[in-house]
Amino acid sequence: NAGVMQNPRHLVRRRGQEARLRCSPMKGHSHVYWYRQLPEEGLKFMVYLQKENIIDESGMPKERFSAEFPKEGPSILRIQQVVRGDSAAYFCASSPGTGRREQYFGPGTRLTVT
Amino acid sequence: TQLLEQSPQFLSIQEGENLTVYCNSSSVFSSLQWYRQEPGEGPVLLVTVVTGGEVKKLKRLTFQFGDARKDSSLHITAAQPGDTGLYLCAGVVNSGYSTLTFGKGTMLLVSP
Repeated sequence: NAGVMQNPRHLVRRRGQEARLRCSPMKGHSHVYWYRQLPEEGLKFMVYLQKENIIDESGMPKERFSAEFPKEGPSILRIQQVVRGDSAAYFCASSPGTGRREQYFGPGTRLTVT
Repeated sequence: TQLLEQSPQFLSIQEGENLTVYCNSSSVFSSLQWYRQEPGEGPVLLVTVVTGGEVKKLKRLTFQFGDARKDSSLHITAAQPGDTGLYLCAGVVNSGYSTLTFGKGTMLLVSP
């Protein structure tokens, strides 16, 4: 009974490079959420997706960040031209939807921008 | 401003002691969840409360949702070193979506 999978667990990028973070939801879950955790700031919502649709991206920075959840394959959070301030832990959560409120989190990807 | 305020921010106690941590807001939540997070890992869901006044027990942990659905508490009886971790509360404001708003957490350290 695999939980939410995220990879890579650790990612190091130089300033200006692109970062791609992957998330495979729990089996049977069709809703995916991305959160970012910065030291001393707590977890902040970024984007909520269902298969092939972005439902709510109100927490996503307007530039350089994008997310997708294709019909097949994992959800991807993409950060273009990374800057040092993007260094953080990025967590993905999934839920079955259909009125169920519980969200189950993956182990996170720790992004370090050098 | 933080939508969800958690207190205390840090708590260090001895094994066997009881403790309560709080999660407060001026907003009404359609549901509220408690998570525990250990270093280097993702948050693990402990409980979801939905109804005002609801009390849920999980072994030595007791969760309560305020009558007005604006606050919640977590009480741990006879704490053990394995309870050490960051306790996060997270609320759903808009019942149409399930996006979570998190507090900053209470870091609990239980010493043997």
